[in-house]
Amino acid sequence: GENVEQHPSTLSVQEGDSAVIKCTYSDSASNYFPWYKQELGKRPQLIIDIRSNVGEKKDQRIAVTLNKTAKHFSLHITETQPEDSAVYFCAAVAYSGYSTLTFGKGTMLLVSP
Amino acid sequence: GAVVSQHPSRVICKSGTSVKIECRSLDFQATTMFWYRQFPKKSLMLMATSNEGSKATYEQGVEKDKFLINHASLTLSTLTVTSAHPEDSSFYICSASPPSPYNEQFFGPGTRLTVL
Repeated sequence: GENVEQHPSTLSVQEGDSAVIKCTYSDSASNYFPWYKQELGKRPQLIIDIRSNVGEKKDQRIAVTLNKTAKHFSLHITETQPEDSAVYFCAAVAYSGYSTLTFGKGTMLLVSP
Repeated sequence: GAVVSQHPSRVICKSGTSVKIECRSLDFQATTMFWYRQFPKKSLMLMATSNEGSKATYEQGVEKDKFLINHASLTLSTLTVTSAHPEDSSFYICSASPPSPYNEQFFGPGTRLTVL
């Protein structure tokens, strides 16, 4: 089955700095890579996703890159703000009739004012 | 976006009792729903995949007789934790996936289960 590794487990940055979270996956059949933000006690919220037919996608301060050859994808947050503090999860999906999400272990991002 | 509700949001029960958690897709039909468990400061772990009208598919290590899943309609899946014990205390989250080739998953708000 799919295995997703995520690094770092914790990341502390100053407000205004950039933050990068990296994930690798094992199943070359995976074709959809969502990123979720989860605040304490809340549901995961989809913040951005990328499909295997593109290499990069951007949405305001958030961008995701995908390298299919190396089987890794990254989340980039620019101009971080304290409200970006949360746990971020990457996931990989290999569609096989229904889409099973395999999550990374998560990155706790702390943005200090 | 699609909305998924979950009920109850919080439940406290005595050891040995059974607890039912409902997951509903409010504005779309979900042929597939997923149940996750999340322990404090840990990632979401898939417990089972629930398909409407058929038996759930359980992940390795998840006891199907303890975690009963029923997906009776295209908008409702239920998870029943039978004979709950303190080690079952966790955050249970469901997600629902509308029928499309690339299925985004939409998460419910979660249920905090505390077994005394």
